[in-house]
Amino acid sequence: AAGVIQSPRHLIKEKRETATLKCYPIPRHDTVYWYQQGPGQDPQFLISFYEKMQSDKGSIPDRFSAQQFSDYHSELNMSSLELGDSALYFCASSLEEQETQYFGPGTRLLVL
Amino acid sequence: GENVEQHPSTLSVQEGDSAVIKCTYSDSASNYFPWYKQELGKGPQLIIDIRSNVGEKKDQRIAVTLNKTAKHFSLHITETQPEDSAVYFCAASSGGSYIPTFGRGTSLIVHP
Repeated sequence: AAGVIQSPRHLIKEKRETATLKCYPIPRHDTVYWYQQGPGQDPQFLISFYEKMQSDKGSIPDRFSAQQFSDYHSELNMSSLELGDSALYFCASSLEEQETQYFGPGTRLLVL
Repeated sequence: GENVEQHPSTLSVQEGDSAVIKCTYSDSASNYFPWYKQELGKGPQLIIDIRSNVGEKKDQRIAVTLNKTAKHFSLHITETQPEDSAVYFCAASSGGSYIPTFGRGTSLIVHP
């Protein structure tokens, strides 16, 4: 079965640079969630979108923004990167804001 | 908001033994409890979930129990195998929000 696709899988950036992470949900899934996971930590919810509209907002810094497009893929834009932004970033998708979320493989971001 | 406590943080067992991971939650409105398995460098994978109208659910070697009165739920893995070694996260969410609150994770090590 098709799963959530994230790109890139690995990303290295310098401080103050920008980064864009992409997420392609499972086919027919219309809801996308973004999470940040630090080393040894549990996933922290950042933001979610349902039918291209922001539906929930968590601990997403003001330096980050995200959107969901008409084909339901989503992009997380990160600006003025800081060392502390180094983490795994996961995207998850679900059908019609149902509880069951399916996670992608993640993007490992390293800020130097 | 919801608070999920998970124990133990590390669990070491011999192959063939059973493993039990326990979680408690604080919000009595929570009604959906998924369990995720995360292998190193990979995204969390949903392995089993339970809703508040069910007390127990089983899928082959994995079972989950829920005690709504005590607000705790547990994951039971029988006949553990080395490939069960991973970090396991419990989570809880309520119908009002589809965003799960995660426990801090349990690192399960199964020794051959």
